[in-house]
Amino acid sequence: KQEVTQIPAALSVPEGENLVLNCSFTDSAIYNLQWFRQDPGKGLTSLLLIQSSQREQTSGRLNASLDKSSGRSTLYIAASQPGDSATYLCAVPPRGGSNYKLTFGKGTLLTVNP
Amino acid sequence: KAGVTQTPRYLIKTRGQQVTLSCSPISGHRSVSWYQQTPGQGLQFLFEYFSETQRNKGNFPGRFSGRQFSNSRSEMNVSTLELGDSALYLCASSLAASGQETQYFGPGTRLLVL
Repeated sequence: KQEVTQIPAALSVPEGENLVLNCSFTDSAIYNLQWFRQDPGKGLTSLLLIQSSQREQTSGRLNASLDKSSGRSTLYIAASQPGDSATYLCAVPPRGGSNYKLTFGKGTLLTVNP
Repeated sequence: KAGVTQTPRYLIKTRGQQVTLSCSPISGHRSVSWYQQTPGQGLQFLFEYFSETQRNKGNFPGRFSGRQFSNSRSEMNVSTLELGDSALYLCASSLAASGQETQYFGPGTRLLVL
């Protein structure tokens, strides 16, 4: 059974800092990994999807990496802003399976202080 | 292009009642998945529908059911509500072409069971 862990559970940083969020998964036979953002009481917004054949994916100030062999992914946020404050979740599909049935980590609650 | 919409956004019910939640996917998306989010368990997969058929199912009791209509809109029903069913219910849609596409989430329906 796939298990996804995110460390740390919460992170507070001053504005302008670069930061890294971590995601680990137990079964490396995945096709891809997704990072989402969730604002309080809201739905999820897809940030990045990394295919297993890729090692990195970038979108603006966000950069996500994937190392299947070690079962790890990181989300790097450059020059953090107060608007980045949210919960960040990573999710993987089942072993060899599609994205219709994702397993999520519990998330990292990020607070960026002005 | 309109995003995923869910109705109602908020709902208050009492134990023993039943509830129906609705999800309209992004136009052209054929797969709809449902998730339950609680502070203790995080996001958990409920079920997924494609072409009016349930393709995947999570580990939830039979009180949780769903269906999909020919226009890809989906509903989920929870019968005999329990206090523990209080949660944010999210639906997600995708094109369902390869199974590797990004999942797009709606804003969720927050259900409170008293």
